[in-house]
Amino acid sequence: DVVLTQTPVSLLISLGGQASISCRSSQSLVHSNGNTYLHWYLQKPGQSPQLLIYQVSNRFSGIPDRFSGSGSGTDFTLKISRVEPEDLGVYYCLQRTHNPWTFGGGTKLELK
Amino acid sequence: QVKLLQSGAALVKPGASVKMSCKASGYTFTDYWVSWVKQSHGKSLEWIGEIYPNSGATNFNEKFKGKATLTVDKSTSTAYMELSRLTSEDSAIYYCTSGTDWGQGVMVTVSS
Repeated sequence: DVVLTQTPVSLLISLGGQASISCRSSQSLVHSNGNTYLHWYLQKPGQSPQLLIYQVSNRFSGIPDRFSGSGSGTDFTLKISRVEPEDLGVYYCLQRTHNPWTFGGGTKLELK
Repeated sequence: QVKLLQSGAALVKPGASVKMSCKASGYTFTDYWVSWVKQSHGKSLEWIGEIYPNSGATNFNEKFKGKATLTVDKSTSTAYMELSRLTSEDSAIYYCTSGTDWGQGVMVTVSS
């Protein structure tokens, strides 16, 4: 199975600050069709995960442009600028290129 | 808007089975795969498998073959997952998801 390693495990950020989360894959996430199925989710406390970014860098409907995704191959990054209170929770990367889908271990974003 | 409404929490005995539901609304149910995801207490997410409502085709994480059975009822736009031969390792929250939208989760507790 593809292993996704997220770093850091936890992140202490001040309101208005910037956060950066890395997701590294044990193998390339480029599908044979040329697409890269690497997505980012946020799970707020007590809630279901919500989609933020799909296919590396595309913001899902309603997601503010403070969230941005980048990367290629095996190395991906989620950046959150101007952190707001509603951004707190656990962030997960997910790959859907290879069966089975696999998730990263999560990064907990907390306020400093 | 898209909604995935899952059935309520379940307390089941070891060795028994449990069947949970995921009722979709707000989109054409038969057009999108429905996946199921497990989240053990305080841990990351595991993909169990997916079903295509139009045909009933399924894909599974090898780890969950023999444990999970996925079915749909197109007439009610409802997806089902049955977990069999339950042990304490199956105690978790189970989510259904279309990839973009997620149900609220079902907490399954396996205890005698």
